[in-house]
Amino acid sequence: KAGVTQTPRYLIKTRGQQVTLSCSPISGHRSVSWYQQTPGQGLQFLFEYFSETQRNKGNFPGRFSGRQFSNSRSEMNVSTLELGDSALYLCASSLLGATDTQYFGPGTRLTVL
Amino acid sequence: TQLLEQSPQFLSIQEGENLTVYCNSSSVFSSLQWYRQEPGEGPVLLVTVVTGGEVKKLKRLTFQFGDARKDSSLHITAAQTGDTGLYLCASSKVDSWGKLQFGAGTQVVVTP
Repeated sequence: KAGVTQTPRYLIKTRGQQVTLSCSPISGHRSVSWYQQTPGQGLQFLFEYFSETQRNKGNFPGRFSGRQFSNSRSEMNVSTLELGDSALYLCASSLLGATDTQYFGPGTRLTVL
Repeated sequence: TQLLEQSPQFLSIQEGENLTVYCNSSSVFSSLQWYRQEPGEGPVLLVTVVTGGEVKKLKRLTFQFGDARKDSSLHITAAQTGDTGLYLCASSKVDSWGKLQFGAGTQVVVTP
């Protein structure tokens, strides 16, 4: 069974631009969670989607948004990029998004200049 | 919010030595996961522990879950260079959809 895939793997943007990251979950998994990882803050939860609905949201500004499609693929968008948005963005999929195991993708490394 | 504290933050040992990493919380865990992450990659699940007092073994790795389900440890016997990585503990709550709370991690470096 193929794992979680994320595209692109690396991205360089400048301040003020926007970016869209994509995540394809493991086949059959309906829950997709997004995390931001930085050296200073570690892994922080952004949001979770299940059946095209956002069920949970972390403590991030409204510039961070996401969506999920009917095939469970998910995208996250960051608008008006700031230098502090430079991070590794990880998505994880699970069957139901309850307390079941989450499987992570390789991440997208975003650098904001 | 349940805070997970990991110790130590950094561990550097030589091949063949043993090491132990700890994860503690003031709250009871419903379950606890241990992940290992290598640079530029996503965390890879090592184990999930659920029952207080549980001990799980994965080759040279031994995971323990405290009786009160507030602490856990990861012990590596005879470390190898391939064990190098960031070890993360994480927990979820039954009413918090899709959200894993992570500890800050323990960076383990095993040198030849």
